[in-house]
Amino acid sequence: GQQVMQIPQYQHVQEGEDFTTYCNSSTTLSNIQWYKQRPGGHPVFLIQLVKSGEVKKQKRLTFQFGEAKKNSSLHITATQTTDVGTYFCAVDYNAGNNRKLIWGLGTSLAVNP
Amino acid sequence: EAGVTQSPTHLIKTRGQQATLRCSPISGHTSVYWYQQALGLGLQFLLWYDEGEERNRGNFPPRFSGRQFPNYSSELNVNALELEDSALYLCASSSRRNQPQHFGDGTRLSIL
Repeated sequence: GQQVMQIPQYQHVQEGEDFTTYCNSSTTLSNIQWYKQRPGGHPVFLIQLVKSGEVKKQKRLTFQFGEAKKNSSLHITATQTTDVGTYFCAVDYNAGNNRKLIWGLGTSLAVNP
Repeated sequence: EAGVTQSPTHLIKTRGQQATLRCSPISGHTSVYWYQQALGLGLQFLLWYDEGEERNRGNFPPRFSGRQFPNYSSELNVNALELEDSALYLCASSSRRNQPQHFGDGTRLSIL
């Protein structure tokens, strides 16, 4: 069945360092969504990418969708302690009415002040 | 605008019992999703309801079931509870099929 691999599983950085998480699929995606879950909280939607090669920015966060629409990345520049949490990608496989939204296992980010 | 609300916040049951979890979506949202998040694990997709019908389900046994009511609220029922069912159960809603999901705070189910 369809799977999505998210790497790395964990990342520990010093405050001010950059951070990147990757989401990879073996099949072409309709779209990809990124979510952030703070410790003890629930996932919160960050962004959705739809177009091949799309790049979107939200302040220090940069999201990219691969040209082949099989992979995506989330890059955080100059991490802050407020960035701590688990980042999930969720990919959309759309085959008519058989829509599936499959989630990566997430990348847990820890930031040392 | 009120967010997604789930009840109860916590639920403690024993093995073999049945549990019912409830979810009210954001007003105007017709799609409701249920997820299981066990400690330290990612989100496991359980069920997706849209316009009152079950549209898809994840790889969970039939004792996990649910329904969506005419007002788009939803119930998740878990029968014959097992210890490994202990987890945070999250409900999310979206306005349309491919729109972002908005999550509730979850129901933490503990099986003793």
